[in-house]
Amino acid sequence: GAGVSQTPSNKVTEKGKYVELRCDPISGHTALYWYRQSLGQGPEFLIYFQGTGAADDSGLPNDRFFAVRPEGSVSTLKIQRTERGDSAVYLCASSLGGVGTGELFFGEGSRLTVL
Amino acid sequence: GENVEQHPSTLSVQEGDSAVIKCTYSDSASNYFPWYKQELGKRPQLIIDIRSNVGEKKDQRIAVTLNKTAKHFSLHITETQPEDSAVYFCAAAESGGGADGLTFGKGTHLIIQP
Repeated sequence: GAGVSQTPSNKVTEKGKYVELRCDPISGHTALYWYRQSLGQGPEFLIYFQGTGAADDSGLPNDRFFAVRPEGSVSTLKIQRTERGDSAVYLCASSLGGVGTGELFFGEGSRLTVL
Repeated sequence: GENVEQHPSTLSVQEGDSAVIKCTYSDSASNYFPWYKQELGKRPQLIIDIRSNVGEKKDQRIAVTLNKTAKHFSLHITETQPEDSAVYFCAAAESGGGADGLTFGKGTHLIIQP
């Protein structure tokens, strides 16, 4: 596609529910990143994929968070047993190579609200 | 891991004046320093980046300087215009080394007064 596409753009859920957020990167981009951005803060790194594998998942806050990229293209961020503190905008980004090799192109984000 | 501090959190300048935003980083292995601009409700977009093998880079009204010894880098915007109003984020990463993603600062809200 022309840019990084994220769905849904908005998700409202209740505490304790399961949520999936989807990212469709720019075609041909091997690197994919998930970030979380709270109001008034910079994007916070969650996980980085190079191809199908998670090259670095050190930013995932706890084991309720998990992400997959089974075919090296689309990625899904999964959040189990959501908590109010999970409310944020979840940003996905992709780039041709790894970090620093070129521009990270961000999607518009998925705004998650946990009631 | 890397820690990036950014100042000021808010900066208001008169249209036509210059704006300077400063960042410091903690990890001496970091060698890639991009700046992103984020308009309200929009995605962050890269405006300029610098690598540790150069001390300064310029692109029209925007310039970035890097002091590796002091571990700080700055964004300079000259002849500011209303469309420069946005939140600006600095970031740092070790390119070609570890697999970490970019570490971002908390952002500077730049307000251009007409």
